[in-house]
Amino acid sequence: AQSVTQPDIHITVSEGASLELRCNYSYGATPYLFWYVQSPGQGLQLLLKYFSGDTLVQGIKGFEAEFKRSQSSFNLRKPSVHWSDAAEYFCAVGTFQKLVFGTGTRLLVSP
Amino acid sequence: DAGVIQSPRHEVTEMGQEVTLRCKPISGHNSLFWYRQTMMRGLELLIYFNNNVPIDDSGMPEDRFSAKMPNASFSTLKIQPSEPRDSAVYFCASSRPGTDGYTFGSGTRLTVV
Repeated sequence: AQSVTQPDIHITVSEGASLELRCNYSYGATPYLFWYVQSPGQGLQLLLKYFSGDTLVQGIKGFEAEFKRSQSSFNLRKPSVHWSDAAEYFCAVGTFQKLVFGTGTRLLVSP
Repeated sequence: DAGVIQSPRHEVTEMGQEVTLRCKPISGHNSLFWYRQTMMRGLELLIYFNNNVPIDDSGMPEDRFSAKMPNASFSTLKIQPSEPRDSAVYFCASSRPGTDGYTFGSGTRLTVV
């Protein structure tokens, strides 16, 4: 069965510091991989996606993620965090017809 | 493109009442999904439709929940009778193959008292 693990429930980063959010998955084949962001009271917004090809994918708002097949990981990174990046981040794996979401990582940004 | 539109944004109802949540997917998207989000269980897929046909409803918690998609531009999720444990944010999302994953609506926050 497919599953997604986001091991960090909360992460606090200083504004301007770099960020890495971890995501590990279990899937029978090479899945489609996604990162979504959710601001308080809002729906989920797609940050980036991986289907195939280049394993380093660029997304919106300066985010990127790297697919590592050998580690079954798809970690999200940003070189310099802004206060507006404080939100909850969800990794998801699956197909267009069925996505499984991780439990999310809440990012707090300190001044 | 108005995005996925959900209504109402907030719903407060008494236990035992019927609740109907509504969703209008993005025009041209042929898959529609209903998710429930709670602190305890995170995001759970309740049901999804492909070309208006329910494909997988294994996530529907019990018979009190039902979903319909009478046409390509409208879907409902109904809870009858509602219970306090149904309190959650319910999201609708739509997609089409080969594009940008799911587009989510803003959600309906349901409170059952």
